[in-house]
Amino acid sequence: NAGVTQTPKFRVLKTGQSMTLLCAQDMNHEYMYWYRQDPGMGLRLIHYSVGEGTTAKGEVPDGYNVSRLKKQNFLLGLESAAPSQTSVYFCASSYSGTSGGARDTQYFGPGTRLTVL
Amino acid sequence: ELKVEQNPLFLSMQEGKNYTIYCNYSTTSDRLYWYRQDPGKSLESLFVLLSNGAVKQEGRLMASLDTKARLSTLHITAAVHDLSATYFCAVDRGTSYGKLTFGQGTILTVHP
Repeated sequence: NAGVTQTPKFRVLKTGQSMTLLCAQDMNHEYMYWYRQDPGMGLRLIHYSVGEGTTAKGEVPDGYNVSRLKKQNFLLGLESAAPSQTSVYFCASSYSGTSGGARDTQYFGPGTRLTVL
Repeated sequence: ELKVEQNPLFLSMQEGKNYTIYCNYSTTSDRLYWYRQDPGKSLESLFVLLSNGAVKQEGRLMASLDTKARLSTLHITAAVHDLSATYFCAVDRGTSYGKLTFGQGTILTVHP
């Protein structure tokens, strides 16, 4: 199993450009998440999905959109990139989110380092 | 709003020494996770703590959870260089859907 994979690994954008980050998981997980990591701030949740066809806002959703058309994929879009979106983006997935047990553990992808000039 | 604070944020240790990282959180929750991140790498799950008084151990690391004090600790015993990494605690907001709030991370460096 590849686990959670992310494409691309690195990207440089100019202000105003758009792009899509792809996350894929092969663990048959229902829940998927997008986080951003900034120095000294830990990880912050952008959007998440509790199943195919569903999405919901997290802690810092502004400037991002997501789609979950297939269970194994979760896409994060930036319509008009801004320098404040320079960050490392992590995707994660979990079997469930509400079981109250170890199946809620989130497994993370390798990250995408995005720079917006 | 749930806040999660770790201390210390930076920890420089000598090999063979013991130390504890603290994770405090501001609202009721009985699910807490510890992750490890090596430089430039992803996050690796270390421990899942699911109830008050839970204690988990793996090698030189031991994690515990006190939900009444809203405190989790990650204790390092006889540190070795391979433990150098950033350690995050993350608290489930307890409402639904596994939304985690992360601490700032503790950068641990173990010196010979």
